[in-house]
Amino acid sequence: AQTVTQSQPEMSVQEAETVTLSCTYDTSESDYYLFWYKQPPSRQMILVIRQEAYKQQNATENRFSVNFQKAAKSFSLKISDSQLGDAAMYFCAYEFNQGAQKLVFGQGTRLTINP
Amino acid sequence: EPEVTQTPSHQVTQMGQEVILRCVPISNHLYFYWYRQILGQKVEFLVSFYNNEISEKSEIFDDQFSVERPDGSNFTLKIRSTKLEDSAMYFCASSGQGFTEAFFGQGTRLTVV
Repeated sequence: AQTVTQSQPEMSVQEAETVTLSCTYDTSESDYYLFWYKQPPSRQMILVIRQEAYKQQNATENRFSVNFQKAAKSFSLKISDSQLGDAAMYFCAYEFNQGAQKLVFGQGTRLTINP
Repeated sequence: EPEVTQTPSHQVTQMGQEVILRCVPISNHLYFYWYRQILGQKVEFLVSFYNNEISEKSEIFDDQFSVERPDGSNFTLKIRSTKLEDSAMYFCASSGQGFTEAFFGQGTRLTVV
C-alpha cells in the first residue's frame, strides 16, 4: 500500500524568509502524481502545487516550488518570501494514475509565520 | 470560478441518528469523492464515485455509510446510526475527465453527541 510521511509536525519561519517542508512516500508504481495542499484555519483544502512523476522538471507556482527526487521518493515544498497568509497546515498527497483517483495524505506540517 | 459546495457547514447530531451530508460538485466533473478528517489527524479517503456507482472505497466505508447522486447535481453521504467516533470534518471533492486535480469543498463539521 502507498504511504506518505511528513516528518515535521511543525515548522516556523520568519516573514519574507524561505522554508522547506519535507515529504517522503512509498510506492511500487512508476506513474503517479504528487500534491501539496494547504489547509488554513478555515479547514478548506486548497491545492498549492502538483507534480507528475513522469516529468523530471520540478513544478513551480509563483513563490511555491517543489524538489522532486523520484529515486529517493522525496517531494519537498519550498515556500519563498514567506507571507503571513501562508500560515496553515500543509499536506503532502499521492495519487496513483490508474483506476479510481484517490489521494493518500501525509500527516501534515503546521507552518507558522513569525512577523 | 466554479467551486464545490457543501451543506451544512456544521451539523450536530445525537448518537444513533442518521445524517446526510450534501455536496454540489463542479458541474462538468465526472468523479466524486468523500474524505474524512478527524480533528488533529490526516485526511482519509472514504469513497470515490463515477458513472453512478462506487469505484473504490476504503475500509472505513462500511455498511454504515452510503453515497448517492440523486438528481444529477447533488452528491450525498449518508451515515446511519452515527457513533461518537464519526465526529470529524467531511470533505467532498470532484474532478474532471481524465486526470485532473480534485477540487475540495469547504467541508462539513459533524459532531456526534
